[in-house]
Amino acid sequence: DGGITQSPKYLFRKEGQNVTLSCEQNLNHDAMYWYRQDPGQGLRLIYYSQIVNDFQKGDIAEGYSVSREKKESFPLTVTSAQKNPTAFYLCASSATGGVNEQYFGPGTRLTVT
Amino acid sequence: AQSVTQPDIHITVSEGASLELRCNYSYGATPYLFWYVQSPGQGLQLLLKYFSGDTLVQGIKGFEAEFKRSQSSFNLRKPSVHWSDAAEYFCAVGAASGGSYIPTFGRGTSLIVHP
Repeated sequence: DGGITQSPKYLFRKEGQNVTLSCEQNLNHDAMYWYRQDPGQGLRLIYYSQIVNDFQKGDIAEGYSVSREKKESFPLTVTSAQKNPTAFYLCASSATGGVNEQYFGPGTRLTVT
Repeated sequence: AQSVTQPDIHITVSEGASLELRCNYSYGATPYLFWYVQSPGQGLQLLLKYFSGDTLVQGIKGFEAEFKRSQSSFNLRKPSVHWSDAAEYFCAVGAASGGSYIPTFGRGTSLIVHP
């Protein structure tokens, strides 16, 4: 079955540590996205990538980094510079060449203490 | 830049009652509009989308939405709500610009269904 996988489902880290969230898709989509979700704030865009080896900052990129070395993979690193990293993180992908709906992964809940 | 407003943070309905979730958008040209649903702790699933044509759009799970350009609205409706419809609902507007497409999401409406 085609889809998006995110791992792990739950992640716990100590403050000051970097942590990388995985996102893999087998939908053959060129575009991939990372969102952060906090209660009552909807989805906020962190980074997006329209093609391999290229990515753009979203609205809240500070304290985060990404890479796009393969079409199928778009990992997100939450660095120690991110002031409030505890959140629910969603990865999505879509076709390009117009306006297309996004397909979402199941999310990773990150807790930093 | 485009924006989306979902005026209702929470909506409570009884099972079997009708439902309407409001969505207002701001965008200078013809918008591309979406409704997504999110169950607790899960990702988002597309319910329906409007790109052009018939302004009344049918989606999955018995949902429909109507695009009203004069009111800048894209409200989601369902004639009879089931307990399994309890979830968070997000409206999104997308605009193609320079080959990129970045949707903007509303803050969501939480639907509570009473038995």
